[in-house]
This record gives sequence, C-alpha cells and structure tokens, in this order.
Amino acid sequence: DSGVTQTPKHLITATGQRVTLRCSPRSGDLSVYWYQQSLDQGLQFLIQYYNGEERAKGNILERFSAQQFPDLHSELNLSSLELGDSALYFCASSVNGAMGYGYTFGSGTRLTVV
Amino acid sequence: EDKVVQSPLSLVVHEGDTVTLNCSYEVTNFRSLLWYKQEKKAPTFLFMLTSSGIEKKSGRLSSILDKKELFSILNITATQTGDSAIYLCAVYTSGSRLTFGEGTQLTVNP
Repeated sequence: DSGVTQTPKHLITATGQRVTLRCSPRSGDLSVYWYQQSLDQGLQFLIQYYNGEERAKGNILERFSAQQFPDLHSELNLSSLELGDSALYFCASSVNGAMGYGYTFGSGTRLTVV
Repeated sequence: EDKVVQSPLSLVVHEGDTVTLNCSYEVTNFRSLLWYKQEKKAPTFLFMLTSSGIEKKSGRLSSILDKKELFSILNITATQTGDSAIYLCAVYTSGSRLTFGEGTQLTVNP
C-alpha cells in the first residue's frame, strides 16, 4: 500500500456520462497530481494541485476538471465522456510539489467508456 | 515541448541475461530524471538522478545520467522473471510536473 488511495478501482460507464474519480494523498503530502495512461500514449500529466490551489496544468481537456479540498483529497471530474477517454487514471502525491522527489502513485482507476 | 523517448519499446530476454534500457530527453529547465517500474498497476519509484556521471545502484539495478548527451540508462543484471514489467523514464522540470516516456515493456522468460 503506497499510502495514496484512489476510488473507485474500476468504472464502466456510457458515452456522454459524467464520472468523478477520487484521490486521498499520502499523509502529510500537500500536492496531488493527476495522470492519464492510455494504451498508446503513456502517462500524460493532467493537472496538479498544491494545498488546495491549482499549481500546474497539462494536457487536460476542457471536459475534465479537478479540485482539491481542505482535507487535501482531490477529485477529477470527467464529463461528456467519449470512448477515447477510456484509460487508467492515476493520482500521485508528494510533500511539497516543488522538488519532484519521486511521486508516490496510487493504484489507479481504470475507466472504461462503452 | 518537453520530450522523453525510451528505447526499446519492448524487450524479451531469458533469465540471467543483462539488459540495458535507454532514455533520452529534450526538455527545458531539467531538474532530475526518474525511473519507475510499473507492474500491474501503480508505478513504483526506482531512482532519481540529478548529477551527471554518478551511478545509482540498488541490488541488480543501476542507472546513470549523462547531462551533456541528455540521456540515461537503466541496467538490470542477472534478470529474473520478477523483473518483467514496464520501465518508465520521467524527467522533472520546473513547474513540478513529470514528463514520462512511453516506457519499455520488459519480459523475462524462464
């Protein structure tokens, strides 16, 4: 157990729907990162939050949004889902988000859009 | 745009072989390079390299960074079936994001 908790582990939903993925960072970590891993694209950085505020944004679609709550857990919202959104979504956390000391990854949420 | 390229994309070897995985990068504001091992799910951290020419070692795994030539290698000696995994190279730049390569799928056959 890495200490980063992601729920749910698996999600199957239909095109056009909206889902929320949840991440609880490791105790003491202030920074949360979201990554998407598709079969043909490797791990793609989506967005980072640090202590409740958005810190960096990657190739995140406008249909996707995220937030980090006061208790530091984070949610990634995916809407108007398309078949191509099927992927593994990873959350990672680190202590301060500024030094990149080997993020700790959660086990991921496998999203299947049918 | 930051870019990390790994080679080979896949590799099949027999137990006991030695393998070398390659990672080259083109990024702005390089800070460090990281190697991860991904088995079934979450990538697990192997090494972080920041200084050129200094080898990091953990058991049968070792890695070195060449900042002049912009690449790193990950060596695994005396491979075992448990080494079968995807090995990911990532570069940390300013802005605190990691840019990952596509990974090398290593299969070690008994």
